Amino acid sequence: GESVGLHLPTLSVQEGDNSIINCAYSNSASDYFIWYKQESGKGPQFIIDIRSNMDKRQGQRVTVLLNKTVKHLSLQIAATQPGDSAVYFCAETLNDMRFGAGTRLTVKP
Amino acid sequence: EAQVTQNPRYLITVTGKKLTVTCSQNMNHEYMSWYRQDPGLGLRQIYYSMNVEVTDKGDVPEGYKVSRKEKRNFPLILESPSPNQTSLYFCASSSPFGGYVNEQFFGPGTRLTVL
Repeated sequence: GESVGLHLPTLSVQEGDNSIINCAYSNSASDYFIWYKQESGKGPQFIIDIRSNMDKRQGQRVTVLLNKTVKHLSLQIAATQPGDSAVYFCAETLNDMRFGAGTRLTVKP
Repeated sequence: EAQVTQNPRYLITVTGKKLTVTCSQNMNHEYMSWYRQDPGLGLRQIYYSMNVEVTDKGDVPEGYKVSRKEKRNFPLILESPSPNQTSLYFCASSSPFGGYVNEQFFGPGTRLTVL
């Protein structure tokens, strides 16, 4: 069946550096993608989304890039801060929402 | 405050003892769903509901039941819990956009241990 996957399970960056978290998806018909952040002991929280008719979307310090040709999604976090340490999930949506396994981001001071 | 609430937050039980985890949202969302989260497997959907009295199986429905008698509530029922249902459970709700599932709002999670 279709699945959403992540390239790396962990990512460690220095405070102040930029972070890039990648995600591959399988269903070329997926219409809508979301990045969630999950801090320890909490439920996932929405960060940013993008629809399939867009290639790029920017938020505050975050940017999502969508490459439909290779079915790849990435989340870029600018000037990473200690508060960004969390697990990040990508999710794809068509009729329902499917989540990747997550990437744990650790920010070193 | 707009939120999704779950109860209990923590539960330790024994094999075979029926239990219910409640979920309630105050955002008038049509869509609600239950997920379980296990290490290395991410979030896997158990059941979802597009609206009152409409429920459908997700990826891992075996051993679970749900009901959607009211818009705001979506309880998860384990009729005969087994140790392999030990997991972290999340309820979520959403207001579909254009017929598709939109951003979901998640509850705080329920950590269930079945001995």
